[in-house]
Amino acid sequence: AQTVTQSQPEMSVQEAETVTLSCTYDTSESDYYLFWYKQPPSRQMILVIRQEAYKQQNATENRFSVNFQKAAKSFSLKISDSQLGDAAMYFCAYSYSGGGADGLTFGKGTHLIIQP
Amino acid sequence: NAGVTQTPKFQVLKTGQSMTLQCAQDMNHEYMSWYRQDPGMGLRLIHYSVGAGITDQGEVPNGYNVSRSTTEDFPLRLLSAAPSQTSVYFCASSPPGLVGVSEQFFGPGTRLTVL
Repeated sequence: AQTVTQSQPEMSVQEAETVTLSCTYDTSESDYYLFWYKQPPSRQMILVIRQEAYKQQNATENRFSVNFQKAAKSFSLKISDSQLGDAAMYFCAYSYSGGGADGLTFGKGTHLIIQP
Repeated sequence: NAGVTQTPKFQVLKTGQSMTLQCAQDMNHEYMSWYRQDPGMGLRLIHYSVGAGITDQGEVPNGYNVSRSTTEDFPLRLLSAAPSQTSVYFCASSPPGLVGVSEQFFGPGTRLTVL
């Protein structure tokens, strides 16, 4: 079975600085999908960025980018120019199907604190 | 579109009581899932469905039943609630992935407390 590990329970960064959240995963599949979700205090799950394993190019969405290292099974999230609104729980997730047919496997999350 | 809706938002049960958590989506999505979120545990998959009449177990299915009679609805039933089922429950839906990957849309969650 696949597993997702987030080794940083909590991270703190100064506003406008850059922070990187770590995620490693274990799977025997060669094709799969990886995601980062944001959960603010409102509890709503918000998709931040996604990566298809067959794509070598790292995904980017505005201030959010990933460093996808397939051989190392590593999928870190970099947030540039951190803003107060970025404060939230961040979850790394894995899916074999990508389309929700098998659900998502989540890590335990990283609590990101933004210092003003 | 209302997206994914869940009712109730909050619920308190006594041990042994039964109840159904409702989930509905108006996006004509084929895939629907139920997760539970416990402190320090992230979200864990309970059950999922790839279409009406088809369901399957996820990582933590014990104590929960599901059925999918329509595309829109995917209720989660607790037959005999236990304190270990105290959690926040999320329902999610997504369209079938085509060439790329499709996004899972999450409901707002139901906070359940079992005394």
